[in-house]
Amino acid sequence: GDSVTQMEGPVTLSEEAFLTINCTYTATGYPSLFWYVQYPGEGLQLLLKATKADDKGSNKGFEATYRKETTSFHLEKGSVQVSDSAVYFCALSGSGNTGKLIFGQGTTLQVKP
Amino acid sequence: ETGVTQTPRHLVMGMTNKKSLKCEQHLGHNAMYWYKQSAKKPLELMFVYSLEERVENNSVPSRFSPECPNSSHLFLHLHTLQPEDSALYLCASSQDDSAATDTQYFGPGTRLTVL
Repeated sequence: GDSVTQMEGPVTLSEEAFLTINCTYTATGYPSLFWYVQYPGEGLQLLLKATKADDKGSNKGFEATYRKETTSFHLEKGSVQVSDSAVYFCALSGSGNTGKLIFGQGTTLQVKP
Repeated sequence: ETGVTQTPRHLVMGMTNKKSLKCEQHLGHNAMYWYKQSAKKPLELMFVYSLEERVENNSVPSRFSPECPNSSHLFLHLHTLQPEDSALYLCASSQDDSAATDTQYFGPGTRLTVL
């Protein structure tokens, strides 16, 4: 079945460091790919998405490119801030003509001043 | 500000209690979802409703009973829960349950503790 695998956390970085959170997926067909973020005490918010191969999603300085050849959707940011501390979830949907989301296990990011 | 609200935000209940979680979306969406978020586990989809009809039930125990009286409201009725049911319960909505590109919008969740 479809699945999403994210790198284990927590990831701890100093402010202004470069961030990469790896995400790979297994799916039949052509899924859409998403990154959601969950700040402490809140629900999930969409961070960015890409709906077809080679698309790049971007928002708030974060980027991820839909790589079909490597089945990956790695999240990157050039310079993290303390306010980026949160849990990040990679997810896919639609490989079976459905909007059902399948999530990775989440990666906790801690950014220290 | 989220267009999906959930009440209560926190709930503590005994195993013999009956309680309900409420979700309301103000986005004009047609699909609503319940998820369970437990520590160190991926989010688990529990139920999907589309136009007030249940379209998916992911082998959820019968002690969880969903209700969708209209496209804006979703309830999760709880009875005789177990301590392992303690988790964050998230509600979400989207324009359509079958469109792969649709974004799901999440509420803040209800933190449930079963004693």
